[in-house]
Amino acid sequence: QITLKESGPTLVKATQTLTLTCTFSGFSLTSSGVGVGWIRQPPGKALESLAFIFWDDTKRYSPSLKNRLTIRKDTSKNQVVLTMTDMDPVDTATYFCTQSRESGHYPFQYWGQGSLVTVSS
Amino acid sequence: EIVMTQSPDSLAMSLGERATINCKSSQSLYISGHNNYLAWYQQKAGQPPKLLLYWASTRESGVPDRFSGSGSGTDFTLTINSLQAEDVAVYYCQQYYNPPPTFGQGTRVEIK
Repeated sequence: QITLKESGPTLVKATQTLTLTCTFSGFSLTSSGVGVGWIRQPPGKALESLAFIFWDDTKRYSPSLKNRLTIRKDTSKNQVVLTMTDMDPVDTATYFCTQSRESGHYPFQYWGQGSLVTVSS
Repeated sequence: EIVMTQSPDSLAMSLGERATINCKSSQSLYISGHNNYLAWYQQKAGQPPKLLLYWASTRESGVPDRFSGSGSGTDFTLTINSLQAEDVAVYYCQQYYNPPPTFGQGTRVEIK
């Protein structure tokens, strides 16, 4: 059974750095083609892909946010960590982690429940 | 980055009617000899998205057959035949042709 769970602060202040952790089970990030990624959704708005990391340490970032994002993995802990610098109130959103396959060329079958992050000014 | 555009933004249909959602991509999602790298998701309030269809028309396991997908290249359609109360949700198309994947802006489906 594949599960993913997001953890991190619920509230951050503007200009601070956000660090989110995705802890997963039921699959390995050392398996060929497998990845974990982050997607966010501001309240009442659409889904936005942020960053993905794959089994071979390949990383894919949103072009519009890549200067602020860093993604890394810890395969021994089954965790993927996302950091986003210089947070702004517009970054208030629910942040989801997902499992990816086929090096990103596959839809998302498994999602975490999401973690709401509020950015205060 | 591939831009996905859905239409309409929202629609209200009566129970039992057919709902149709369109999705257009800024470049072709078809790879010759393979398939269309296009998925559809359903998101209900307070929940993560749920995968409905992939490869443009393949239903995920457990998805009712009133949900169907069609299209190829840059133009795709999600059809919900005989709309049910539990189908009230926001629906998103997504391309996975070019990582990171991108989503449409969503279409809200309501019961009239």
